[in-house]
Amino acid sequence: DAGITQSPRHKVTETGTPVTLRCHQTENHRYMYWYRQDPGHGLRLIHYSYGVKDTDKGEVSDGYSVSRSKTEDFLLTLESATSSQTSVYFCAIRGDSNQPQHFGDGTRLSIL
Amino acid sequence: QKEVEQDPGPLSVPEGAIVSLNCTYSNSAFQYFMWYRQYSRKGPELLMYTYSSGNKEDGRFTAQVDKSSKYISLFIRDSQPSDSATYLCAMSGLGGFKTIFGAGTRLFVKA
Repeated sequence: DAGITQSPRHKVTETGTPVTLRCHQTENHRYMYWYRQDPGHGLRLIHYSYGVKDTDKGEVSDGYSVSRSKTEDFLLTLESATSSQTSVYFCAIRGDSNQPQHFGDGTRLSIL
Repeated sequence: QKEVEQDPGPLSVPEGAIVSLNCTYSNSAFQYFMWYRQYSRKGPELLMYTYSSGNKEDGRFTAQVDKSSKYISLFIRDSQPSDSATYLCAMSGLGGFKTIFGAGTRLFVKA
């Protein structure tokens, strides 16, 4: 299994609070991704990173920010959580070009 | 129209049946094609990874890509209850920078 750890695995929080999810990898891969998975929508890309301090937006980036200060860590922050951000969040990593992505086991986030 | 279309199912089959899962896509730039298996409350796990058209076999699993029809398939032979999961197709262009995923097909294999 790819060495990907997501934390926390579950979180319940209230609307308006900030939330940070962490993805940690031990594979030294260059590319890292954050997705959300919702019924009927499948996996949707939030943000991705192509190196330390190099990040870009995906298709559903509004309300989310990311940071990558080390190769192994990619953080996803919800600055002010809303109920529409209740979802399962997956981190993925990828090595060199044309290699497939490998996923962590997700963070289940509920915003009340 | 979505870039990748996948029937959500659910698909229910008896143990031992041959299962066929399919996706269609619209972007002719896709060159790499993947199938992931996702168990409940787990992350997607890579099953098959193929480049361009053709077939690839791995044990009970066969992936087929027909780029002329923009159609990919995953066949599971001698299906087992442990194959019960959601199967996601995925594809990307040269460089594999971004990957587009289907919404997934839920499969149930009954003992």
